[in-house]
This record gives sequence, structure tokens and C-alpha cells, in this order.
Amino acid sequence: SQQGEEDPQALSIQEGENATMNCSYKTSINNLQWYRQNSGRGLVHLILIRSNEREKHSGRLRVTLDTSKKSSSLLITASRAADTASYFCATAHQGGSEKLVFGKGTKLTVNP
Amino acid sequence: DAGVIQSPRHEVTEMGQEVTLRCKPISGHDYLFWYRQTMMRGLELLIYFNNNVPIDDSGMPEDRFSAKMPNASFSTLKIQPSEPRDSAVYFCAIFAAGSVYTFGSGTRLTVV
Repeated sequence: SQQGEEDPQALSIQEGENATMNCSYKTSINNLQWYRQNSGRGLVHLILIRSNEREKHSGRLRVTLDTSKKSSSLLITASRAADTASYFCATAHQGGSEKLVFGKGTKLTVNP
Repeated sequence: DAGVIQSPRHEVTEMGQEVTLRCKPISGHDYLFWYRQTMMRGLELLIYFNNNVPIDDSGMPEDRFSAKMPNASFSTLKIQPSEPRDSAVYFCAIFAAGSVYTFGSGTRLTVV
């Protein structure tokens, strides 16, 4: 299976702390994306990092990619209660980059 | 979620009944995807279309599942007959080259 794996499955932190979520995948990729899902809603795109990039920032989000280890991490700095959601990594593989393969997600709870 | 409208939001049906899920992409796209989300399996790609043509239906679990895309603004996913194990949240998503995925809010299907 090409499916990625997020780690941890669940994470609970206090407001103001940083949250780090990891993702591993199995085959060569074209790009890797992170999505957020609030309860009962669809997924919303957060950030995309290409296979030739190592780090990317967007506001309080920082994504790293290590293609040699086939892994990525998503860091949310200065977390807020509103960041409570599930976070998914998704990989677009070479030779079929329109098709995304999603991991099972990390459920993040930020306590006020 | 404004780019993709899914209906109904919730569906409860009895085993053996036919179920039709609908997706109306609002914004421009080249691809349309149907995903199924469960706690056990996460997000599974069922089928996707490119310019209204089915490209890959290898994720469709059984012949009970079928999908159509008669035009760029409408797609259906049909389950006939439905079974309790089909209970899940079904998402429609769109993608245009050079862009990212846009998901609908999903249809929560419960088969009793």
C-alpha cells in the first residue's frame, strides 16, 4: 500500500505550545501535502511541499520533507484552541501526481 | 468547501436499499474524486474522473458500487444494494492542474 502513516495518532497539548506531527510514506513522490479536517467537515488544504524542497513555511505552520527517509513533519507553533482538528498528510506519487494517497491522520486537541 | 456541494449531508437507509450520493463541483477542475472515510481504514480513494471520463475505479469495493459523471458539473456515486459495512462518510473532491484538492463537506451514510 502506498498509504502514508501519521504519528502520533492523537496529540493533546495546551494552548501556546507547539504541536509536531510526523508522516512517513513508502514510494517516491512528486509532492506531499498536509490537510486539516474539522469534525464533520471536509478536508482543507494547508500546505504543499515539492520533492525537491526541504522546508516550507506558511504563517504558524512549518513543514519539512526528508525524501531519503520518506518522511515529513508538520509543526504548528503557538497553538490555539481553534487548531483542534485532525491533520492528514497526502502524497502525490510520480507517474500519477493527480491522485493523492492519504494517511489516517493525527487528531490534535489544543486545550485552552 | 464552497467549491464542491455534496448532497445529502446525512443519509440513513435500510440494508438492501439503493443509495445515491451527489456531487456538484462549483469551481473549475480537471479531475473529480470520490473518497470514503472510516475510522478503521481512513480515507480510501474509490474512483476518479478526468474531464468526466473514469480513469481509475480500482478502489471501488464491489460491483454494488457505481459512479457516473454525465457532465463537468455533476457526479453521482450509487450503492445498490447497500449493506451495513458501507456506512461511512463519502467525500467528493476536485482538482485542477497547478492547484490543490478542494473537498466537499461529505455525506454521512448509515446503513441499518
